[in-house]
Amino acid sequence: NAGVTQTPKFQVLKTGQSMTLQCAQDMNHNSMYWYRQDPGMGLRLIYYSASEGTTDKGEVPNGYNVSRLNKREFSLRLESAAPSQTSVYFCASSEGAGIVGNAGELFFGEGSRLTVL
Amino acid sequence: RKEVEQDPGPFNVPEGATVAFNCTYSNSASQSFFWYRQDCRKEPKLLMSVYSSGNEDGRFTAQLNRASQYISLLIRDSKLSDSATYLCVVNTRYNFNKFYFGSGTKLNVKP
Repeated sequence: NAGVTQTPKFQVLKTGQSMTLQCAQDMNHNSMYWYRQDPGMGLRLIYYSASEGTTDKGEVPNGYNVSRLNKREFSLRLESAAPSQTSVYFCASSEGAGIVGNAGELFFGEGSRLTVL
Repeated sequence: RKEVEQDPGPFNVPEGATVAFNCTYSNSASQSFFWYRQDCRKEPKLLMSVYSSGNEDGRFTAQLNRASQYISLLIRDSKLSDSATYLCVVNTRYNFNKFYFGSGTKLNVKP
């Protein structure tokens, strides 16, 4: 029952370093998402992929890039980390809206705690 | 203006109490509504979807008021295990894949 798996769970970076957060889901979901969660801010959408081969910006995309490698995997890259990117990052997946008009329940990974010094 | 707004709390209630949270949304095109629960330092998990007619799941009741653009969550007979942060989530009919989260309402149930 893996569901959504994120790696790494913890990471400390220095300003200017780059890194990639990996996410994989085994539920055959069409849609995948990357959120960040900061105290008092709730979850904010960084990027999402409605289906394999597509990616779109969310509310806070600046400083990030994403790759939908295949249907299972959706990675998030920080090219030049900044202290403002210190946060908890959550990957999520859902069946996707399709023609039904409701993307369905979001299933989250356990989160990746990133600190940028 | 935030898409979704919630009272951050905390709501401190004794076991057995009834507690209610509201959540307001700003976009009249909002289509689907959900309550998620998040335990400390854990990932959010779906508690319940909110239907136009209102719905109940055991001790939990969710209501939608489209005219006033808010949803509510009522918890009856609170348990210690209900202590968590409750997140209000909406999406719009223009993009069902974009979910907007409130910042959450923290509930502490005390013995």
